[in-house]
Amino acid sequence: DARVTQTPRHKVTEMGQEVTMRCQPILGHNTVFWYRQTMMQGLELLAYFRNRAPLDDSGMPKDRFSAEMPDATLATLKIQPSEPRDSAVYFCASGPYGYEQYFGPGTRLTVT
Amino acid sequence: AQKVTQAQTEISVVEKEDVTLDCVYETRDTTYYLFWYKQPPSGELVFLIRRNSFDEQNEISGRYSWNFQKSTSSFNFTITASQVVDSAVYFCALSEPSTGNQFYFGTGTSLTVIP
Repeated sequence: DARVTQTPRHKVTEMGQEVTMRCQPILGHNTVFWYRQTMMQGLELLAYFRNRAPLDDSGMPKDRFSAEMPDATLATLKIQPSEPRDSAVYFCASGPYGYEQYFGPGTRLTVT
Repeated sequence: AQKVTQAQTEISVVEKEDVTLDCVYETRDTTYYLFWYKQPPSGELVFLIRRNSFDEQNEISGRYSWNFQKSTSSFNFTITASQVVDSAVYFCALSEPSTGNQFYFGTGTSLTVIP
C-alpha cells in the first residue's frame, strides 16, 4: 500500500535554527504539495511542484522558507532561520496531476 | 474570496443519527474537481472522494453519500447512522485547471459523534 512518507515526524528546535523537512512522494505521482496547518490559519498551501518544477510558491514566506525537489523521490522544505510563529504541522501530499492528493502523516514542528 | 465555504464549524450528533456536512464552492471553470477529506484525531488527512464537474450523479459508499448539485454549487456529504469513529474534521476541496489544479480547501467541519 503506497504512502507518502515524511521525516521527521516531530521536531523541536530553538529560534534561529535551520529546519529541514523531507518528503518521499508516492512513486509515479508527478505533483507534490507542501501545506502548513495551524489552528488559526487552517490548511495553507506553501508550495506546489509538477514534474519537479515549482508551479506556485506564493504562499511561502520567501525570506526564510525554501522548497525543492532534487529528484522525483524527494521533496524538501527548509526554514532558515526558524521563528516561533513557524510552529505548525507541515504536510506533504502527492498525486497525479489534476487528481486527488494523498497526504503524508505530517511533521509537527515546535520552535521555542 | 473563499473558493470553498464550509459554514458549519462544529457539529455534534448522537451516535446513529444521520448528519450532513455542507460545502459550497465558487469557480468560473467549466471543468473542475471536488474532493472530501477526513482528518481524524490522529492528524493524517485521508482522501474520501473525488467528483468531476461533469458527473452530477450522487454517490454512495457504505454509510457515506455525496450530493453534488451544480445549480447551487454545492457538494454535501452525508453520514448515515453515525458512529464514534466518524468523529473527525472533514474538509471539502476544489481544484480547477485555470489555477494549475492546486487545491482550495475549506476551513473544515469538526464532527463529534457522542456515544
